[in-house]
Amino acid sequence: KAGVTQTPRYLIKTRGQQVTLSCSPISGHRSVSWYQQTPGQGLQFLFEYFSETQRNKGNFPGRFSGRQFSNSRSEMNVSTLELGDSALYLCASSLGRTNTGELFFGEGSRLTVL
Amino acid sequence: DQQVKQNSPSLSVQEGRISILNCDYTNSMFDYFLWYKKYPAEGPTFLISISSIKDKNEDGRFTVFLNKSAKHLSLHIVPSQPGDSAVYFCAASEFTYNNDMRFGAGTRLTVKP
Repeated sequence: KAGVTQTPRYLIKTRGQQVTLSCSPISGHRSVSWYQQTPGQGLQFLFEYFSETQRNKGNFPGRFSGRQFSNSRSEMNVSTLELGDSALYLCASSLGRTNTGELFFGEGSRLTVL
Repeated sequence: DQQVKQNSPSLSVQEGRISILNCDYTNSMFDYFLWYKKYPAEGPTFLISISSIKDKNEDGRFTVFLNKSAKHLSLHIVPSQPGDSAVYFCAASEFTYNNDMRFGAGTRLTVKP
């Protein structure tokens, strides 16, 4: 069974630009969560989608947005990029129902903002 | 607002000895706790979990202890092996199906041969 796939793996942008990251969950998983990982901050929760609806949202500015498609694939978008947005963005999927609560993570998209 | 804290950024132990990684949380509504392990250039992978109705859960060399009154949990690895060298993240959520998980900053474990 294929794991969680994130694209692109690496990208470089400049301040003010926008970026879109993509995540394909494990087949059958309906929940997709996004996290930002920066040194010393651990994984910061961005948002979670289930059946195309945003169920939870972390404490990030409105420049960070996301969506989920009917096939459970998800995208997140960051507009007006700032230097501080440089981070590893991780996507995780799960069944989304009561279960072990285990999240399956992709390898991440490393964003560098210059 | 760091609801889950791992105060030790790094830990070094000798192969064969016990590794103890600690985690504290502030939200008393958390009732499900997990540990994830992360190798460089890979996403975190699930290691072990515990719900608030238990105070201990064991899986092979890994044991997680939960002290709800102290809002503290710990991960014990016995015996530690060099392959255990990784960053360990503690995570917590309010419900088992709630994927709004809060993670700590991680502890980098190095197991020396």
